[in-house]
Amino acid sequence: DTAVSQTPKYLVTQMGNDKSIKCEQNLGHDTMYWYKQDSKKFLKIMFSYNNKELIINETVPNRFSPKSPDKAHLNLHINSLELGDSAVYFCASSQALSRGTDTQYFGPGTRLTVL
Amino acid sequence: QKEVEQNSGPLSVPEGAIASLNCTYSDRGSQSFFWYRQYSGKSPELIMFIYSNGDKEDGRFTAQLNKASQYVSLLIRDSQPSDSATYLCAVNRGISNQFYFGTGTSLTVIP
Repeated sequence: DTAVSQTPKYLVTQMGNDKSIKCEQNLGHDTMYWYKQDSKKFLKIMFSYNNKELIINETVPNRFSPKSPDKAHLNLHINSLELGDSAVYFCASSQALSRGTDTQYFGPGTRLTVL
Repeated sequence: QKEVEQNSGPLSVPEGAIASLNCTYSDRGSQSFFWYRQYSGKSPELIMFIYSNGDKEDGRFTAQLNKASQYVSLLIRDSQPSDSATYLCAVNRGISNQFYFGTGTSLTVIP
């Protein structure tokens, strides 16, 4: 029973291409997130999203966009890929019992390599 | 100033010793604090969380929170080689329910 799943696990592509990473959670959580983890292991939040609000980290380029077809899915679209986009991307979800008390559960990650 | 700061290590301890991992955070309004363990090539895995000042124990793990000093720590008793991993400290500021992670501390437990 995979709680948070991501596809693909590995993604190798050329600079300038457009790609998507899919995320699904079966925990019934209200909020989903995307994180980028660079080569130095720093985990940086990109987006958080529930059915009421999308919160975007202001440092994320607008080439990145989250798409949520329903509460259980949050996909990440990336346009015009650049070398610096190479990283591991993690999806996560949480159930907001009350603000500030959430715990997050992570997907297995997608390793994106831009050539 | 970073939201969450950790000593990147590496930290090495002998098997059976106590490993002490530290974390400081910048936003005094932060409400909840988390420790994650991440093995190489794997996703972060929640170890424990703490909301209130003081200690919280779960098996071999103890989280300690001092909001006045904006400091949270994780103690691992009777360290095992399987504890060798990167430990990530995370903070939820409450506002917008955003999580901020430190850069992680690499721990090696030597048999």
